[in-house]
Amino acid sequence: DIQMTQSPSSLSASVGDRVSITCRASQSMISYLNWFQQKPGKAPKLLIYAASTLQTGVPSRFSGSASGTDFTLTISSLQPEDFATYYCQQTYTTPYTFGQGTKLEIK
Amino acid sequence: EVQLVQSGSEVKKPGESLKIPCKGSGYSFTTYWIGWVRQMPGKGLEWMGIIYPADSDTRYSPSFQGQVTISADKSISTAYLQWSSLKASDTATYYCAVTGNDGFDVWGQGTMVTVSS
Repeated sequence: DIQMTQSPSSLSASVGDRVSITCRASQSMISYLNWFQQKPGKAPKLLIYAASTLQTGVPSRFSGSASGTDFTLTISSLQPEDFATYYCQQTYTTPYTFGQGTKLEIK
Repeated sequence: EVQLVQSGSEVKKPGESLKIPCKGSGYSFTTYWIGWVRQMPGKGLEWMGIIYPADSDTRYSPSFQGQVTISADKSISTAYLQWSSLKASDTATYYCAVTGNDGFDVWGQGTMVTVSS
């Protein structure tokens, strides 16, 4: 199984900050990597797929990148609605594992 | 409208069986794999398994193999997650989801399952 190690597990930041969240895969994989945002009591929402492709309707302040087995989600300028929990997920091979999640909180 | 509709909350006793549905509409149900995801209270997302409704090809996470059964009835565009004997540790919210590698993404609203004596 591919393990996805996500860091940090929590992050405190202010509106307007630039933040990055990283997922490291346990083995080399093609960039079948999704990033989701989840708010309390709601289903996850896809932000980025194929490591760097912005889902339709998602603000351009969200971006994704890949370097080897490391994948990064960057939010260029945090907005109040961005405070949520973020998950990566690989869909290269089953089981399609998720990272442990990063809770982004307001400083 | 593209959507996956799940049933409401379930409250069951340990040892009871349960089958929860996920009905797709607004897209070709047999085109995409449908997956199930568990979220225990206050915890992260866990991928359980997926099924291809066109031929019922099913893949399970090793963590859930033998613990649940995933099935689908393409004639009514519905996927299912089933337990034969629930445990208290099955208490969680269960989501069905279609997330294709082409950006197609739709999630059900989640079914909260509570198992308590």
